[in-house]
Order: sequence, then C-alpha cells, then structure tokens
Amino acid sequence: DTGVSQDPRHKITKRGQNVTFRCDPISEHNRLYWYRQTLGQGPEFLTYFQNEAQLEKSRLLSDRFSAERPKGSFSTLEIQRTEQGDSAMYLCASSFRTSGGGTYNEQFFGPGTRLTVL
Amino acid sequence: GQQLNQSPQSMFIQEGEDVSMNCTSSSIFNTWLWYKQEPGEGPVLLIALYKAGELTSNGRLTAQFGITRKDSFLNISASIPSDVGIYFCAGPRRNNAGNMLTFGGGTRLMVKP
Repeated sequence: DTGVSQDPRHKITKRGQNVTFRCDPISEHNRLYWYRQTLGQGPEFLTYFQNEAQLEKSRLLSDRFSAERPKGSFSTLEIQRTEQGDSAMYLCASSFRTSGGGTYNEQFFGPGTRLTVL
Repeated sequence: GQQLNQSPQSMFIQEGEDVSMNCTSSSIFNTWLWYKQEPGEGPVLLIALYKAGELTSNGRLTAQFGITRKDSFLNISASIPSDVGIYFCAGPRRNNAGNMLTFGGGTRLMVKP
C-alpha cells in the first residue's frame, strides 16, 4: 500500500502525559499537512511542511504542540502535558504540485490517530 | 468554527434513490474538493473541481463548481449501502499560498437497503 500511513491508530493517555504521533506521507509528495478533527466536525488545519521546512502554523497549535519533519519524509506531532480538550482525531495529509503549473490542493489523507485523554 | 456551510446535515434515504448535497461559503474558493469519510478512517478524495461552472463525474458521483465560486454541489445517483458515510466539501481560500484546506461540517448519509 503506497498511501499515507499513521501510527499509532489509537492512543489513550492520562492527562499531563506527553504523546507523539508519526505520519509517513506518499513517497513523492513534498508537502505534508496536519489536521485535527473533533466529533461531528470537519478537519481543521494545524500546520504544514514543504520538504523539511515548517511553513505555517494555525492558532490552534498551542505551545504544547510541536511538529517536525527532519528529513523531509516522515513527520512527527508531539503534544506535551496533554489536556482532555486535546482528545480528537489527528489526521495527516500529503500532496504534490501537479504538472503544468498545478497546485497542491489535492491532499490525500491517512487513516488518522485517535487520541483519548483521560 | 466551520466557514463552509453544508446542507443537509444528514440524510436517510432508500437504496436506489439519488442524493443531492451542497456547500456554500461567503468567501471565494479557487478549488472545490469533495471527500468521503467512513467511521474511524481518514477522508478519501472523491472529486476535485478547478474552474467555475465545471461539472465533473466519478462513477455515480457528479460534482459542480458554482459560477460564483462560492458554492459547490455533489450528486450521487442510484445510491447503494456502501455510499454510507460523511461527505465533506473542502477547499483552499483564495490567496492561500499554503493551500491549507477549509472543511465544511459534513453531510451524513445513511442508506436503507
């Protein structure tokens, strides 16, 4: 399977603990996005990378959140001192620039990591 | 909060019926995307639309990019039980260099066999 993969699929943690999620994008995609989805809502943008550079962060990304993409391939999202409000599905997506001057708009999502903070 | 408004919020239909749903915004979008999400999974891209007025099909699915660039429509013909899921519209707002997507709140589709 050559789609976007995420690990773990589920994570249950106690409030105050740190958690780290991993995303492996589609191999030729140089853009990688993180989104968060709460129950009954559509995904909301958190941050994105072009290659290894983190180019934008949403105001949803508090200082307890940090994301990296050290070699421009896989990415990690860490949440420190988790709070119950962090419970959500964390989705990763990747995209590439289509030929002929196209855009990165078509984003392909992984299966997500569902985080539950007790 | 969501900046794309999807309607209806949910639909419960009989197998074989056609389905229509729409997505509206107060902002202009350069691209409209339609995704389907099943429980416990990530969204799957169904259709991408790039030009105002464009009509694109993918099997039994047909989507249109509204001419005002502020709305889009998705139709599913002859629904089957595996069409069950939540359908999201999404798009990058104009002048969005990072192409970050804004999503609607979704339309939940339930199909009775």
